[in-house]
Amino acid sequence: AQSVTQPDIHITVSEGASLELRCNYSYGATPYLFWYVQSPGQGLQLLLKYFSGDTLVQGIKGFEAEFKRSQSSFNLRKPSVHWSDAAEYFCAVGAYGNKLVFGAGTILRVKS
Amino acid sequence: GAVVSQHPSRVICKSGTSVKIECRSLDFQATTMFWYRQFPKKSLMLMATSNEGSKATYEQGVEKDKFLINHASLTLSTLTVTSAHPEDSSFYICSAPTSGGPREQFFGPGTRLTVL
Repeated sequence: AQSVTQPDIHITVSEGASLELRCNYSYGATPYLFWYVQSPGQGLQLLLKYFSGDTLVQGIKGFEAEFKRSQSSFNLRKPSVHWSDAAEYFCAVGAYGNKLVFGAGTILRVKS
Repeated sequence: GAVVSQHPSRVICKSGTSVKIECRSLDFQATTMFWYRQFPKKSLMLMATSNEGSKATYEQGVEKDKFLINHASLTLSTLTVTSAHPEDSSFYICSAPTSGGPREQFFGPGTRLTVL
């Protein structure tokens, strides 16, 4: 069965510092991978996605993610975090029937 | 990008009543929509797949008679929580995938249900 692991429940970074959120997946076939962001009480916004091709994908708001098949990982990065990036981030893998399997989420706190 | 709306955004109801939540794809057609439930500080749990013109497909452990899903048109799916109880209080989110190829899903803003 498909699964997604986000090892870090909370991460705190200083404003302007770099960020990396970890995501590992388990899926038998070529995965479709997504990162979503959720602000409190809001729905999910897609940051970026990987379907095929270049393993380094660029997203909105200055985020990028790198697909590493050998490590079954799809880590999210941002070189310089802004206070407005504080939110919860979900990694997801696209499963059979276009369903999404989500990780548990990582809450990002930004220190000023 | 495509837009998905949900109505209402918040609802408070008494125990034993039923609540209907609407999910609409505003600028595209969706033969399939998904309903998720999110508990506080938890991830999203897929409840069911809503299929236009046919019965919904429920995930294991989700009560079909409790959570009624109707996909009335290519742009509208509804989730009705029947005989709601406090344990049904949660954040409900719908999503709809784009058509063709590997699909990206667009999420509604969510509905906060509180059952007193």
